Amino acid sequence: AQKITQTQPGMFVQEKEAVTLDCTYDTSDPSYGLFWYKQPSSGEMIFLIYQGSYDQQNATEGRYSLNFQKARKSANLVISASQLGDSAMYFCAMRESGGTSYGKLTFGQGTILTVHP
Amino acid sequence: EAGVVQSPRYKIIEKKQPVAFWCNPISGHNTLYWYLQNLGQGPELLIRYENEEAVDDSQLPKDRFSAERLKGVDSTLKIQPAELGDSAVYLCASSSPLTGATYNEQFFGPGTRLTVL
Repeated sequence: AQKITQTQPGMFVQEKEAVTLDCTYDTSDPSYGLFWYKQPSSGEMIFLIYQGSYDQQNATEGRYSLNFQKARKSANLVISASQLGDSAMYFCAMRESGGTSYGKLTFGQGTILTVHP
Repeated sequence: EAGVVQSPRYKIIEKKQPVAFWCNPISGHNTLYWYLQNLGQGPELLIRYENEEAVDDSQLPKDRFSAERLKGVDSTLKIQPAELGDSAVYLCASSSPLTGATYNEQFFGPGTRLTVL
C-alpha cells in the first residue's frame, strides 16, 4: 500500500488565487512528521512546511498552510495568493519514528502546479 | 551558509560503464542521505548515513551500487556497471538534530542527472 498518496497529477490556478494540493498518508506509527517540498525545474528540493503528528494546530509558513486532518490521515497544502514563481512540482512526504524507518522520508508522486497570469 | 553540494550536475555514460557521484553536506550535519528520483516520481531513499556509519541501506541495490562516507563528511555513490534503467536524478540530502528546527528537516542538493545510453 502507498504510504503517501497525491491524487492530483496536475493543478492549475490563476495568479493571486488560493490553491489546495491534496495529500493522504498511511501509517500505524503514532509519532510521525509530514513535510511538503517544492521542486522547481532546476531540480532542487525546497522545504516548505512541517506538521508533527502531535501538533495541535495546523502549521503555517507565510503563504503556505497545512490543513492537517489526523482522523482522515490527510495533510493538504494550501498556497494563498499564488504567484507565477509557485509553478513547480510539489511533494508531500512523511517521516516515521519507528525502527530503521527513523529519518527516512517517504515521498508521494507529486503534483505539478501551474500558475497562470 | 553553503548548502549541500553535489557534483557533477549532469553525467552521460554508456551502459556497462562505471559512474560516481559526490556529495558534500552542510557543515556540521552528521546525517547524510542518498535518494534516487525517477522522472515524474518522488525521491526514494537509497542509503542513510549517521556520521560514517550506513544505518539504513536496505533499498540500495548492492550488486551494482556502493556508497561510502569514510570520514563522516562528504560521500560518494558509485554504480558499476550502469544499466539503462539507472537513468535518473540522484539527490543528496543532509540533516542534523542539533541545528535548525526540532523537526530535523532535510536539506537537499541540486542533484546529479544521470543518462545511461
